[in-house]
Amino acid sequence: EDKVVQSPLSLVVHEGDTVTLNCSYEVTNFRSLLWYKQEKKAPTFLFMLTSSGIEKKSGRLSSILDKKELFSILNITATQTGDSAVYLCAVTETSGSRLTFGEGTQLTVNP
Amino acid sequence: DTGVSQNPRHKITKRGQNVTFRCDPISEHNRLYWYRQTLGQGPEFLTYFQNEAQLEKSRLLSDRFSAERPKGSFSTLEIQRTEQGDSAMYLCASSLFWAIGELFFGEGSRLTVL
Repeated sequence: EDKVVQSPLSLVVHEGDTVTLNCSYEVTNFRSLLWYKQEKKAPTFLFMLTSSGIEKKSGRLSSILDKKELFSILNITATQTGDSAVYLCAVTETSGSRLTFGEGTQLTVNP
Repeated sequence: DTGVSQNPRHKITKRGQNVTFRCDPISEHNRLYWYRQTLGQGPEFLTYFQNEAQLEKSRLLSDRFSAERPKGSFSTLEIQRTEQGDSAMYLCASSLFWAIGELFFGEGSRLTVL
């Protein structure tokens, strides 16, 4: 069965700090790894990664995948209070039908 | 609003009652997913449709749960004989069939079983 483990589960930082969120996975037939942000209710898509070593970047957020070591990181630089959310990591298999999510990392950015 | 719409947003019911949730996906999306999320956990896959066909159902899904998407547009998720363990947020998501993984989620229907 597919498995996604995120760490840390919870993180509290001050505005302006840089954070790194971790995601490790076990999946039989890996297709892609995805990051979502969940503020209150609906998760919203951030990144999809399919190839090792290629960084995806959007503003202050960036992510990279290591398919050999089976992990991904999500970096957020110059954090803002609006970055406070749960960040979810998920994987899909080659069948592509379902996402298997990790527990998420609760990030709190204090002013 | 052209996002994914779910209703009711909240449902409180007594154990043993049946409940039904509705999801209206983004109109051009042919894939529709149901997930369940409990506090402190990530969303857990329940089932998904491509158009009106239910293509996969979680092995963990009890026979008390049934989902339909009769015309390939909106979907319903029914839970029969609810149990306290069914209390959770039920999330619906939709996507284009080729955009694997990039799901658009609704705000969820929160179920509380007393």
